[in-house]
Amino acid sequence: DTEVTQTPKHLVMGMTNKKSLKCEQHMGHRAMYWYKQKAKKPPELMFVYSYEKLSINESVPSRFSPECPNSSLLNLHLHALQPEDSALYLCASSQEWGQGATDTQYFGPGTRLTVL
Amino acid sequence: GDSVTQMEGPVTLSEEAFLTINCTYTATGYPSLFWYVQYPGEGLQLLLKATKADDKGSNKGFEATYRKETTSFHLEKGSVQVSDSAVYFCALSDPSGGSYIPTFGRGTSLIVHP
Repeated sequence: DTEVTQTPKHLVMGMTNKKSLKCEQHMGHRAMYWYKQKAKKPPELMFVYSYEKLSINESVPSRFSPECPNSSLLNLHLHALQPEDSALYLCASSQEWGQGATDTQYFGPGTRLTVL
Repeated sequence: GDSVTQMEGPVTLSEEAFLTINCTYTATGYPSLFWYVQYPGEGLQLLLKATKADDKGSNKGFEATYRKETTSFHLEKGSVQVSDSAVYFCALSDPSGGSYIPTFGRGTSLIVHP
């Protein structure tokens, strides 16, 4: 099973709402990632979790709050977003992160977020 | 720092035509190289990879060879289908150079007409 699942598939929210994106993998991977992808652009890395600890935060605004409750789950909590945050949010996982890591990432289908 | 340069698209072909999408890279270490494909409305899927010089990655009729001397990883397919229409991203990962953050190219859109 090389599947990463993401819910919801689509999300529309107002600037005052609080919502969460969910990601799940059952491949035993210990590294999980959040990416943001705008139309016709490559994915931009937001966060990396390694062994359920935050390893990388690419200077992401605090209105995005990641959480890794266990080794299979990754959440992204959203609060007070701006219209420019509308994008496709992709989750990915890989076996490891850091020295000696195998580096193939497996991506989920993404959540298409629209902020009104 | 590391970087990936892809040819600008869109690439427009007729069905059964030969495909080449160029990708060159710069890296400080010994990177692994990847091609990912993104179909409309979907996430990225790993298409193929190569981890060292002269390795050839292949999948679904697509091939790419890791050329260290020209720092290239061009994607090729002998006969494209309409269903190959997608955006293709070349990427590298360079843990040996101290960077564990994957680097993506800008993406190349492929449009295949019947």
